[in-house]
Amino acid sequence: GQNIDQPTEMTATEGAIVQINCTYQTSGFNGLFWYQQHAGEAPTFLSYNVLDGLEEKGRFSSFLSRSKGYSYLLLKELQMKDSASYLCAVRPNTGKLIFGQGTTLQVKP
Amino acid sequence: SAVISQKPSRDICQRGTSLTIQCQVDSQVTMMFWYRQQPGQSLTLIATANQGSEATYESGFVIDKFPISRPNLTFSTLTVSNMSPEDSSIYLCSDRVNYNEQFFGPGTRLTVL
Repeated sequence: GQNIDQPTEMTATEGAIVQINCTYQTSGFNGLFWYQQHAGEAPTFLSYNVLDGLEEKGRFSSFLSRSKGYSYLLLKELQMKDSASYLCAVRPNTGKLIFGQGTTLQVKP
Repeated sequence: SAVISQKPSRDICQRGTSLTIQCQVDSQVTMMFWYRQQPGQSLTLIATANQGSEATYESGFVIDKFPISRPNLTFSTLTVSNMSPEDSSIYLCSDRVNYNEQFFGPGTRLTVL
């Protein structure tokens, strides 16, 4: 079967750094995606990792370890607008994205 | 990225009726998908919309309940048939332009009374 796990909720302080973890067990692996979703809105694409290592994109970075079935999304210099759900999604051998349950991040002043 | 639009953005429907949701992409895309997001939940893939042939449905979803059309590379429709309150959800169209990018439309928020 396919399984993707993320923490349900996280809280962090404005200006700080937060790391959102994602572990997965899938039939094959063809990439891992991170999306941001604000309440009432559609998910927006943040990052894609298919090789091991860290991909940096401004304040957001995403890391992948295929051998460990593990990824994290790192958000630096947190802003209030970063309060949202963060969805981890994996593309297994089927080629279709499978989503985790999402992590709701609350940024406090 | 291809810009995705959906119509309607929201609707309130009566039990037993059907609703057709339209998805338009502003450029040709290789793959289009339909997802459902139930209240407080993450996204679940309903089906892959195949251009010129029948859609490929995921486990738990059937063509009679969710008929899908994709007449060309930029347009698709999803119909939610014989609706019940359990079908209240957000329905999202998604496209894959490149292998490393997949985008979502704004969603259609459906409430069934």
